[in-house]
Order: sequence, then structure tokens, then C-alpha cells
Amino acid sequence: GQQVMQIPQYQHVQEGEDFTTYCNSSTTLSNIQWYKQRPGGHPVFLIQLVKSGEVKKQKRLTFQFGEAKKNSSLHITATQTTDVGTYFCAGLGSSYKLIFGSGTRLLVRP
Amino acid sequence: GAVVSQHPSRVICKSGTSVKIECRSLDFQATTMFWYRQFPKQSLMLMATSNEGSKATYEQGVEKDKFLINHASLTLSTLTVASAHPEDSSFYICSARDSRGEQYFGPGTRLTVT
Repeated sequence: GQQVMQIPQYQHVQEGEDFTTYCNSSTTLSNIQWYKQRPGGHPVFLIQLVKSGEVKKQKRLTFQFGEAKKNSSLHITATQTTDVGTYFCAGLGSSYKLIFGSGTRLLVRP
Repeated sequence: GAVVSQHPSRVICKSGTSVKIECRSLDFQATTMFWYRQFPKQSLMLMATSNEGSKATYEQGVEKDKFLINHASLTLSTLTVASAHPEDSSFYICSARDSRGEQYFGPGTRLTVT
């Protein structure tokens, strides 16, 4: 079945440093979505990428979708303590089910 | 934006009892709803896909007789954990898909079975 892998599992950065999480799917995706989950909270939708090679930006966050529509990345420039949380990618495959990656937990030292 | 609610937000029950969790789309109709389970520090695992008016489709390894799903209307899906045991303790999250295919998540229900 469809699998979505995400690395790294966690990352601890100094405030102001950059952060990147990577997502790889075993199959070609219709789209990929990114979510942020704070401790004790539920996943909050960040963005959806649909087109091959698409790049979208939200302030300090840059999202990319690979040319083959099998991988994606989220890059945060100059992290802040408010960026703390777990970032999940979720791929929508041919079965129209959203399969979540394992998540990357981001910790930011002030 | 679209809102999905879940009730209850938190439930503690004794082993052997059944627990019902409701998922409602408040301002849109959802022909399809999804149920996920999340154990501590783990990802969301899709349990089942719930389609209005038909039987739910369960993912491999999910017991359909234990996790009973009913999608009686376009705005309501329920998950009943039958004869819950401590290993069923988890965070259960539903999501609802609108006509454009966008998916919105509920706030989750934390189940603790003692």
C-alpha cells in the first residue's frame, strides 16, 4: 500500500536557525498537504501542493513539491519559538485517502 | 473556513464499556469522513473511510466489529469503540471532506480506558 516517509524524526535548533523536513512517498501523489500539530492539539492545515515542481511560500515557510510528485519539503527560515510543534506531510494517492508521514518534531531553543 | 466538531473532547471509561464519538461538519456537507487514531508521539493512522449511507471501509488491521462506524447523514459520522480496553486508549481524530475535495480535521477526542 501507499507509504509516506518523513525525515528527520525530530530536530532541535537554536532560534534563528533554519529548519527543513523532507517527505517521500512510495507512489505518485495527486497532491500533498502539510499540517502542524502543537502538543496536545490537533493537526492544523498549512498548505496543499498540487502541481509538479510547485513552490509555495507562507511568510518564513517554503513548501516544495517534487517534479515526480513523490516528494516534498518544508523549509522554515529563521525559526522562532512559535514554530515549535510537529510537522506532518500527508499525501493524497489514487485511492483518495490521505496518508500521513511520520512527522518531524521541531524544538526551538530561545 | 469549514468547521468540524467532535464530541466528546475527552472521555475516561472503564474497561469493557463502549464509547461513542461524534464527528460533525458544521457548515458544509461531507459525503466522506475519515477516522484516524494517533498514539502518543506517533503519526495519524487512518482507521477507516466513512461514506454517507453506506458501509465504512476499514484499513488493514482495524477490527470493524470493534470500531463501529455509522455515517447516517451528510453532517454526522459516529465511531463507537465497542468493549474498550486500555490498549484502545488513544487520540481519535475525524476529518470531513467537502465537495471540492478539501479535508478538514476535528479537534480530536482523547480516550482513556482504565
